[in-house]
Amino acid sequence: EIVLTQSPGTLSLSPGERATLSCRASQSVTSSYLGWYQQKPGQAPRLLIYGSSSRATGVPDRFSGSGSGTDFTLTISRLEPEDFAVYYCQQYAGSPPMYTFGQGTKLEIK
Amino acid sequence: QVQLQESGPGLVKPSETLSLTCTVSGGSITSYYWSWIRQPPGKGLEWIGYIDYNGATSYNPSLKSRVTISVDTSKNEFSLKLTSVTAADTAVFYCARRSPMGQNFDYWGQGTLVTVSS
Repeated sequence: EIVLTQSPGTLSLSPGERATLSCRASQSVTSSYLGWYQQKPGQAPRLLIYGSSSRATGVPDRFSGSGSGTDFTLTISRLEPEDFAVYYCQQYAGSPPMYTFGQGTKLEIK
Repeated sequence: QVQLQESGPGLVKPSETLSLTCTVSGGSITSYYWSWIRQPPGKGLEWIGYIDYNGATSYNPSLKSRVTISVDTSKNEFSLKLTSVTAADTAVFYCARRSPMGQNFDYWGQGTLVTVSS
Protein backbone atom coordinates (compact mmCIF):
# COMPACT_ATOMS: atom_id res chain seq x y z
CA GLU A 1 0.00 0.00 0.00
CA ILE A 2 1.27 3.45 -0.91
CA VAL A 3 1.44 5.79 2.07
CA LEU A 4 1.03 9.53 1.55
CA THR A 5 2.72 11.82 4.06
CA GLN A 6 1.69 15.46 4.11
CA SER A 7 3.73 18.29 5.54
CA PRO A 8 3.57 20.42 7.46
CA GLY A 9 0.88 19.13 9.78
CA THR A 10 -0.22 22.69 10.47
CA LEU A 11 0.62 25.80 8.48
CA SER A 12 0.00 29.23 10.00
CA LEU A 13 -0.19 32.06 7.48
CA SER A 14 -1.93 35.38 6.95
CA PRO A 15 -4.40 36.31 4.20
CA GLY A 16 -2.54 37.47 1.13
CA GLU A 17 0.43 35.16 1.76
CA ARG A 18 1.47 32.20 -0.37
CA ALA A 19 0.88 28.67 0.91
CA THR A 20 2.88 25.64 -0.13
CA LEU A 21 1.63 22.22 0.97
CA SER A 22 3.59 19.03 0.40
CA CYS A 23 2.50 15.45 -0.23
CA ARG A 24 5.16 12.76 -0.35
CA ALA A 25 4.44 9.17 -1.40
CA SER A 26 6.18 6.05 -0.10
CA GLN A 27 6.63 4.93 -3.70
CA SER A 28 6.10 6.44 -7.11
CA VAL A 29 2.54 7.57 -7.89
CA THR A 30 1.00 7.95 -11.31
CA SER A 31 0.63 11.72 -11.67
CA SER A 32 -2.72 11.44 -13.38
CA TYR A 33 -4.05 9.71 -10.26
CA LEU A 34 -3.05 12.34 -7.67
CA GLY A 35 -5.66 14.74 -6.33
CA TRP A 36 -6.05 17.42 -3.69
CA TYR A 37 -9.10 18.22 -1.56
CA GLN A 38 -10.17 21.03 0.74
CA GLN A 39 -12.30 20.27 3.78
CA LYS A 40 -13.93 22.82 6.02
CA PRO A 41 -15.44 21.95 9.43
CA GLY A 42 -18.69 20.03 9.15
CA GLN A 43 -18.41 19.75 5.38
CA ALA A 44 -17.50 17.03 2.92
CA PRO A 45 -14.16 17.29 1.13
CA ARG A 46 -14.15 19.31 -2.08
CA LEU A 47 -12.03 18.25 -5.05
CA LEU A 48 -9.60 21.04 -5.95
CA ILE A 49 -6.99 19.41 -8.15
CA TYR A 50 -7.09 16.20 -10.18
CA GLY A 51 -4.41 14.60 -12.26
CA SER A 52 -1.84 16.36 -10.02
CA SER A 53 -2.21 19.72 -11.80
CA SER A 54 -5.69 20.21 -13.29
CA ARG A 55 -8.14 22.42 -11.46
CA ALA A 56 -11.59 21.00 -10.85
CA THR A 57 -14.64 22.90 -12.07
CA GLY A 58 -15.14 26.20 -10.29
CA VAL A 59 -11.81 26.18 -8.44
CA PRO A 60 -10.12 29.60 -8.42
CA ASP A 61 -6.86 29.90 -10.32
CA ARG A 62 -4.95 30.84 -7.17
CA PHE A 63 -4.91 27.07 -6.51
CA SER A 64 -2.31 25.10 -8.44
CA GLY A 65 -0.85 21.63 -8.24
CA SER A 66 2.47 20.26 -9.37
CA GLY A 67 4.83 17.37 -8.92
CA SER A 68 5.61 13.89 -10.10
CA GLY A 69 6.93 10.57 -8.87
CA THR A 70 6.87 10.74 -5.09
CA ASP A 71 6.68 14.50 -4.47
CA PHE A 72 3.62 16.64 -5.08
CA THR A 73 2.75 20.18 -4.09
CA LEU A 74 -0.40 22.23 -3.71
CA THR A 75 0.20 25.97 -3.93
CA ILE A 76 -2.25 28.71 -3.02
CA SER A 77 -0.78 31.83 -4.53
CA ARG A 78 -2.52 34.43 -2.40
CA LEU A 79 -4.58 33.28 0.55
CA GLU A 80 -8.16 34.40 0.89
CA PRO A 81 -10.04 34.14 4.22
CA GLU A 82 -12.11 31.24 2.88
CA ASP A 83 -8.99 29.18 2.10
CA PHE A 84 -8.26 28.36 5.73
CA ALA A 85 -9.21 24.70 6.02
CA VAL A 86 -7.73 21.20 6.03
CA TYR A 87 -6.19 19.92 2.81
CA TYR A 88 -5.78 16.28 1.82
CA CYS A 89 -3.90 14.64 -1.01
CA GLN A 90 -5.18 11.35 -2.45
CA GLN A 91 -3.84 8.78 -4.86
CA TYR A 92 -4.96 5.64 -6.64
CA ALA A 93 -3.03 2.47 -7.31
CA GLY A 94 -4.33 -0.55 -9.17
CA SER A 95 -3.86 -4.31 -8.84
CA PRO A 96 -5.78 -4.44 -6.62
CA PRO A 97 -7.54 -1.07 -6.78
CA MET A 98 -6.79 1.05 -3.75
CA TYR A 99 -7.32 4.71 -2.90
CA THR A 100 -5.34 6.32 -0.11
CA PHE A 101 -5.35 9.76 1.47
CA GLY A 102 -2.68 11.71 3.24
CA GLN A 103 -3.24 12.60 6.88
CA GLY A 104 -4.01 16.22 6.03
CA THR A 105 -2.49 19.66 6.46
CA LYS A 106 -4.39 22.20 8.52
CA LEU A 107 -4.03 25.71 7.11
CA GLU A 108 -4.81 28.17 9.88
CA ILE A 109 -4.90 31.94 10.15
CA LYS A 110 -1.82 33.41 11.78
CA GLN B 1 -26.06 19.08 -10.81
CA VAL B 2 -25.34 15.68 -9.31
CA GLN B 3 -26.26 15.33 -5.65
CA LEU B 4 -25.60 12.47 -3.27
CA GLN B 5 -27.42 11.86 0.00
CA GLU B 6 -26.51 9.29 2.63
CA SER B 7 -29.19 7.75 4.83
CA GLY B 8 -29.30 5.17 7.58
CA PRO B 9 -29.20 4.71 11.34
CA GLY B 10 -26.97 7.06 13.30
CA LEU B 11 -26.43 4.57 16.10
CA VAL B 12 -25.40 0.94 15.79
CA LYS B 13 -24.64 -1.51 18.57
CA PRO B 14 -21.27 -3.27 18.79
CA SER B 15 -21.10 -6.57 16.85
CA GLU B 16 -24.09 -5.57 14.72
CA THR B 17 -24.20 -4.55 11.04
CA LEU B 18 -23.98 -0.95 9.86
CA SER B 19 -26.17 -0.29 6.82
CA LEU B 20 -26.19 2.91 4.79
CA THR B 21 -27.71 3.94 1.48
CA CYS B 22 -26.59 6.68 -0.90
CA THR B 23 -29.23 8.14 -3.19
CA VAL B 24 -27.98 9.83 -6.34
CA SER B 25 -30.04 12.61 -7.91
CA GLY B 26 -29.47 14.94 -10.83
CA GLY B 27 -27.83 12.23 -12.88
CA SER B 28 -27.81 8.54 -13.61
CA ILE B 29 -25.91 6.09 -11.46
CA THR B 30 -24.90 4.23 -14.59
CA SER B 31 -21.56 4.80 -16.29
CA TYR B 32 -19.76 5.82 -13.12
CA TYR B 33 -17.94 4.32 -10.14
CA TRP B 34 -19.33 4.98 -6.67
CA SER B 35 -17.41 4.82 -3.42
CA TRP B 36 -17.86 4.86 0.32
CA ILE B 37 -15.30 6.80 2.35
CA ARG B 38 -15.24 7.29 6.10
CA GLN B 39 -13.69 9.75 8.53
CA PRO B 40 -13.44 9.05 12.26
CA PRO B 41 -14.10 12.15 14.37
CA GLY B 42 -11.11 14.48 14.19
CA LYS B 43 -9.17 12.15 11.91
CA GLY B 44 -8.40 11.63 8.24
CA LEU B 45 -10.17 9.96 5.33
CA GLU B 46 -10.27 6.24 4.61
CA TRP B 47 -11.58 4.70 1.40
CA ILE B 48 -13.86 1.75 2.10
CA GLY B 49 -14.65 0.48 -1.39
CA TYR B 50 -16.39 1.09 -4.68
CA ILE B 51 -18.99 -0.36 -6.96
CA ASP B 52 -19.47 0.32 -10.64
CA TYR B 53 -22.72 0.49 -12.56
CA ASN B 54 -22.36 -3.17 -13.51
CA GLY B 55 -22.07 -4.21 -9.88
CA ALA B 56 -18.34 -4.93 -9.91
CA THR B 57 -16.77 -4.11 -6.56
CA SER B 58 -13.41 -3.47 -4.98
CA TYR B 59 -12.76 -3.08 -1.28
CA ASN B 60 -10.04 -1.75 0.99
CA PRO B 61 -8.11 -4.89 2.06
CA SER B 62 -8.22 -3.74 5.69
CA LEU B 63 -12.04 -3.93 5.65
CA LYS B 64 -12.69 -6.46 2.92
CA SER B 65 -13.83 -9.27 5.19
CA ARG B 66 -16.59 -7.10 6.68
CA VAL B 67 -17.76 -4.94 3.76
CA THR B 68 -20.39 -5.38 1.08
CA ILE B 69 -21.35 -2.67 -1.39
CA SER B 70 -24.34 -3.14 -3.67
CA VAL B 71 -26.18 -1.07 -6.27
CA ASP B 72 -29.82 -0.68 -7.25
CA THR B 73 -29.87 1.08 -10.60
CA SER B 74 -33.69 1.15 -10.66
CA LYS B 75 -33.62 3.36 -7.55
CA ASN B 76 -30.43 5.21 -8.52
CA GLU B 77 -28.84 4.27 -5.24
CA PHE B 78 -26.04 2.18 -3.80
CA SER B 79 -25.55 0.76 -0.34
CA LEU B 80 -22.93 -0.17 2.23
CA LYS B 81 -23.00 -2.96 4.79
CA LEU B 82 -20.26 -3.24 7.40
CA THR B 83 -20.54 -6.22 9.70
CA SER B 84 -19.30 -6.87 13.24
CA VAL B 85 -18.81 -3.21 14.04
CA THR B 86 -16.86 -1.92 17.02
CA ALA B 87 -16.33 1.52 18.51
CA ALA B 88 -13.40 1.92 16.08
CA ASP B 89 -15.93 2.04 13.25
CA THR B 90 -17.51 5.23 14.60
CA ALA B 91 -17.10 7.77 11.82
CA VAL B 92 -18.73 10.13 9.37
CA PHE B 93 -19.49 8.05 6.31
CA TYR B 94 -19.46 9.71 2.90
CA CYS B 95 -20.58 8.43 -0.45
CA ALA B 96 -18.75 9.84 -3.44
CA ARG B 97 -18.52 9.60 -7.20
CA ARG B 98 -15.26 8.88 -8.95
CA SER B 99 -14.59 11.61 -11.47
CA PRO B 100 -14.75 10.62 -15.13
CA MET B 101 -11.58 12.72 -15.50
CA GLY B 102 -9.50 10.35 -13.40
CA GLN B 103 -9.13 8.51 -10.13
CA ASN B 104 -10.35 11.26 -7.81
CA PHE B 105 -13.74 11.99 -6.23
CA ASP B 106 -15.65 14.90 -7.69
CA TYR B 107 -19.06 14.67 -6.01
CA TRP B 108 -19.62 13.86 -2.34
CA GLY B 109 -22.58 13.44 -0.09
CA GLN B 110 -22.81 15.65 2.98
CA GLY B 111 -21.82 12.72 5.19
CA THR B 112 -23.63 10.93 7.98
CA LEU B 113 -22.25 10.25 11.44
CA VAL B 114 -22.60 6.68 12.59
CA THR B 115 -21.80 5.99 16.22
CA VAL B 116 -21.14 2.47 17.45
CA SER B 117 -22.23 2.21 21.04
CA SER B 118 -24.38 0.04 23.24
